[in-house]
Amino acid sequence: DGGITQSPKYLFRKEGQNVTLSCEQNLNHDAMYWYRQDPGQGLRLIYYSQIVNDFQKGDIAEGYSVSREKKESFPLTVTSAQKNPTAFYLCATTPVGDHTGELFFGEGSRLTVL
Amino acid sequence: AQSVTQPDIHITVSEGASLELRCNYSYGATPYLFWYVQSPGQGLQLLLKYFSGDTLVQGIKGFEAEFKRSQSSFNLRKPSVHWSDAAEYFCATLDSNYQLIWGAGTKLIIKP
Repeated sequence: DGGITQSPKYLFRKEGQNVTLSCEQNLNHDAMYWYRQDPGQGLRLIYYSQIVNDFQKGDIAEGYSVSREKKESFPLTVTSAQKNPTAFYLCATTPVGDHTGELFFGEGSRLTVL
Repeated sequence: AQSVTQPDIHITVSEGASLELRCNYSYGATPYLFWYVQSPGQGLQLLLKYFSGDTLVQGIKGFEAEFKRSQSSFNLRKPSVHWSDAAEYFCATLDSNYQLIWGAGTKLIIKP
């Protein structure tokens, strides 16, 4: 099946630890995005990548890092520098050049810092 | 800067009743507008979008939305809601860099 796979679905971490969230897609989409979702705040863009080996900061990139070594994969690392990392994280994709605004989303990863 | 406002945090509607979710945008030119739906613990799915042309847009799951330039609004409607419509609904617009700007969302609660 074509789609976007995020893992893990639930993750617990102790303060001071880095954690990496996986996002894999087989839609052959060029652009990939990471959003953070908190109750009552909608979606906030963390990072996005429109091509392999290139990515840009979004509105709330501080405390996060990404890589885009393969077209299919766009992992997000939540570092210990992120002061309030407990949130729901969503990965999304879209074909580059398709400026229709339609994003395709994974099912999300919920991170809880203990 | 462009922005999207969804004035209602929660809306409660009886099953079978009609629904209207409000969305207001700020943008000088004709905006690109979207409604997405998110079921609990899931990702988002596109319901419908407006770029130009007919101001009444039909989407999936029986939803429609009407673009009203004079009111800077793009309200989502459904004539008769089902319990499965309980979800959170997000309005969004596309900025000049083709990035989505999101509203804060409206949670729809369905009363039996």
